[in-house]
Amino acid sequence: SQQGEEDPQALSIQEGENATMNCSYKTSINNLQWYRQNSGRGLVHLILIRSNEREKHSGRLRVTLDTSKKSSSLLITASRAADTASYFCVDETSGSRLTFGEGTQLTVNP
Amino acid sequence: NAGVTQTPKFQVLKTGQSMTLQCAQDMNHEYMSWYRQDPGMGLRLIHYSVGAGITDQGEVPNGYNVSRSTTEDFPLRLLSAAPSQTSVYFCASSVRVRYNSPLHFGNGTRLTVT
Repeated sequence: SQQGEEDPQALSIQEGENATMNCSYKTSINNLQWYRQNSGRGLVHLILIRSNEREKHSGRLRVTLDTSKKSSSLLITASRAADTASYFCVDETSGSRLTFGEGTQLTVNP
Repeated sequence: NAGVTQTPKFQVLKTGQSMTLQCAQDMNHEYMSWYRQDPGMGLRLIHYSVGAGITDQGEVPNGYNVSRSTTEDFPLRLLSAAPSQTSVYFCASSVRVRYNSPLHFGNGTRLTVT
């Protein structure tokens, strides 16, 4: 199974600032996915970046992938209090055994 | 579509009791899975299924059984609950097993075993 490792474990910023979270993985991948989990809820898929892509945007989200360093980053621009959540990365190799790390807990202070 | 529906939302069991956590999806997804989430340990895969009649073990399968008799349903059974099974359980599904299929999660079942 594969497990992304997120860094930092916790991040606290002010509303309007940018938030950057990092993810490292160990093996070659087909894609890397980012998920968000609001308190008390299930995970929600945010964005998927394929192994042959280097950068992808979705609204205020920007994801980069560096396969040579086996790392990815998630940037949330102009953060809002509603962005307060845990963020997880998952690297996919086989498709059937996606495993999640502990995530990054982001707190956006109003 | 309702997406992935989990019932119940909360459950308290005594040690040794059995119960079934229900999971249903109405998206005709091929792949379904169960995770447990514990503080400081992320989400751990319990069992998964790549289609009706096919199941396999994940990271932490002991103490849990699953079956997949229909595409829509993937119940998780605890045969003899233990305090170590106190956790939040999530069911997730995706269109297909192969690559580039994001997971859709239910909102979880919070289980306490006393």
